Amino acid sequence: DIVMTQSPESLALSLGERATINCKSSQSVLYSSNNKNYLAWYQQKPGQPPKLLIYWASTRESGVPDRFSGSGSGTDFTLTISSLQAEDVAVYYCQEYFGSELTFGGGTKVEIK
Amino acid sequence: EVQLVESGGDLVQPGGSLRLSCAASGFTLSSYWMHWVRQAPGKGLVWVSRIETDADRTSYADSVKGRFIISRDNAKNTLYLQMNSLRAEDTAVYYCVRDNRAMDFWGQGTLVTVSS
Repeated sequence: DIVMTQSPESLALSLGERATINCKSSQSVLYSSNNKNYLAWYQQKPGQPPKLLIYWASTRESGVPDRFSGSGSGTDFTLTISSLQAEDVAVYYCQEYFGSELTFGGGTKVEIK
Repeated sequence: EVQLVESGGDLVQPGGSLRLSCAASGFTLSSYWMHWVRQAPGKGLVWVSRIETDADRTSYADSVKGRFIISRDNAKNTLYLQMNSLRAEDTAVYYCVRDNRAMDFWGQGTLVTVSS
């Protein structure tokens, strides 16, 4: 099974600052036949189900603010929030959907300092 | 409007069984791969099972293989998870999730508590 490792576990930043969350997979999630990375990012606010933010590693889901962006390929990926807003307080998860057993990272908690 | 409404969560004793349901509306369930994902209290997300558009093709996490069965009723547009031989470590909120370029829509979840 693919193991997804996220860092840091938590992040406390001031409003307007840039947040960077990293995700590393134990094997490549790049599918050579279509050149797509099978990597998604989700946001989960307290008491709510997760919400899809990014798929194919860098494609923003419809309705997601453009301050959220995803990058990376192969085994190393990043979610960036360009200017942190109060409503971005949440836990963020990466997930691979390349393997037969889908796996999530352990999550990164983002708070306001 | 797309909706996924889970039900069936309850308190059950170890070794017991439970069937979760997920009623879908706003789309045709059989046209999508569907998943169950669970989240233990205060913990992260764990994939449990998947059913493909060909309902004969299903997959399970090793932790539930042989104990859980995913299925769907196309006429009722409903997804199910039959859970047998439940253990304390199965305690979690269970989410029904649609697969469309990743997991694009999640239900609100239903809580399963396994305890004596």
